[in-house]
Amino acid sequence: QKEVEQNSGPLSVPEGAIASLNCTYSDRGSQSFFWYRQYSGKSPELIMFIYSNGDKEDGRFTAQLNKASQYVSLLIRDSQPSDSATYLCAVRRDDKIIFGKGTRLHILP
Amino acid sequence: GAGVSQSPRYKVAKRGQDVALRCDPISGHVSLFWYQQALGQGPEFLTYFQNEAQLDKSGLPSDRFFAERPEGSVSTLKIQRTQQEDSAVYLCASSLEIRDRAKNEQFFGPGTRLTVL
Repeated sequence: QKEVEQNSGPLSVPEGAIASLNCTYSDRGSQSFFWYRQYSGKSPELIMFIYSNGDKEDGRFTAQLNKASQYVSLLIRDSQPSDSATYLCAVRRDDKIIFGKGTRLHILP
Repeated sequence: GAGVSQSPRYKVAKRGQDVALRCDPISGHVSLFWYQQALGQGPEFLTYFQNEAQLDKSGLPSDRFFAERPEGSVSTLKIQRTQQEDSAVYLCASSLEIRDRAKNEQFFGPGTRLTVL
């Protein structure tokens, strides 16, 4: 079992709808959780991080963490074509940040 | 201010050749990471430095891979006797302090795309 699991997609969402991206992790000792966006041919850029159970909102983005279920999600409201990218879930365990394979998101105009 | 820079951006090597990849982190960033990203995959952890100390090198795939950060700033990832399976994008990232929740955002460089023929 990979330490960080994501559905590779592609996930297709109509413009203006809510995109929901999910991630599970295996190590209960994981301490912080990150969502990165990566456009094709570019390097990852941080969208949000969360370390407490519950929701964290930033503009159109909401990160949700459930440590009991070892589950992290990212909601993107009012999806825009510019949101089309690969979304990487990452967890910090000690000094290491472990990435999932990423979910390809495609926003349909 | 300047972000993380990496050089070269592209490198083509013949199998068996040695290569050196350079990373200039953001000034003042204590933590520096190297990742390997194959096509269609997420970044895979290679190694981590806290200042000049290499605290974790568990992700280096073989003893052909070597990394250093002698003065706690610039880092070099060296790959000896390159093989075709080494072809990937090598990403460098830095953060103020990975152990501090308030300072652990990683900033990535543009990467070096290595192609081994």
